[in-house]
Amino acid sequence: LAKTTQPISMDSYEGQEVNITCSHNNIATNDYITWYQQFPSQGPRFIIQGYKTKVTNEVASLFIPADRKSSTLSLPRVSLSDTAVYYCLVGDMWDYGQNFVFGPGTRLSVLP
Amino acid sequence: NAGVTQTPKFQVLKTGQSMTLQCAQDMNHNSMYWYRQDPGMGLRLIYYSASEGTTDKGEVPNGYNVSRLNKREFSLRLESAAPSQTSVYFCASRPGAAGETQYFGPGTRLLVL
Repeated sequence: LAKTTQPISMDSYEGQEVNITCSHNNIATNDYITWYQQFPSQGPRFIIQGYKTKVTNEVASLFIPADRKSSTLSLPRVSLSDTAVYYCLVGDMWDYGQNFVFGPGTRLSVLP
Repeated sequence: NAGVTQTPKFQVLKTGQSMTLQCAQDMNHNSMYWYRQDPGMGLRLIYYSASEGTTDKGEVPNGYNVSRLNKREFSLRLESAAPSQTSVYFCASRPGAAGETQYFGPGTRLLVL
């Protein structure tokens, strides 16, 4: 399993763009990169997923360089409601029994 | 669609008591998972069921048992609860098709005294 490393915490202000980088040096060919968001007292919620290059949806963008050894989650113009823990996961999406490892995540605090 | 539901929401047990946490999904997903989350930590996989009729151990299976009752339901049983099992338990499901992600329930908060 590819191990991931991401910052433990980050602070930002409302309206700023936030970039959270995740390192996954041992990523395998079949591995996808998935980001989840978790609010207090709730289960994680899917944000975005990608394999290579750039993926964008209505919530975030995911940048993946050619070597795929890292990825960056970009949240445009954050608001107070974006305060949450963000998890980067790497795993083989073709393996239905995949043990996706949730590390401690990045605790994002958005300040007014 | 209710998505993934879990019961109970909160439970207090005494050491040595047993209980079953229930999970159900109405999305016709093939795979189901049980995680535990300790304060300030990420989620750790306890057991999973890749498809109906199969179950496998995850990272931290000791002290737990599971049953995939049917495609919809996946229960987690604590036979003899210990204080170390105080945690928040999340159930998740996944369609089972390649590229699909997990959908999580709201969690069960368990306190073992």
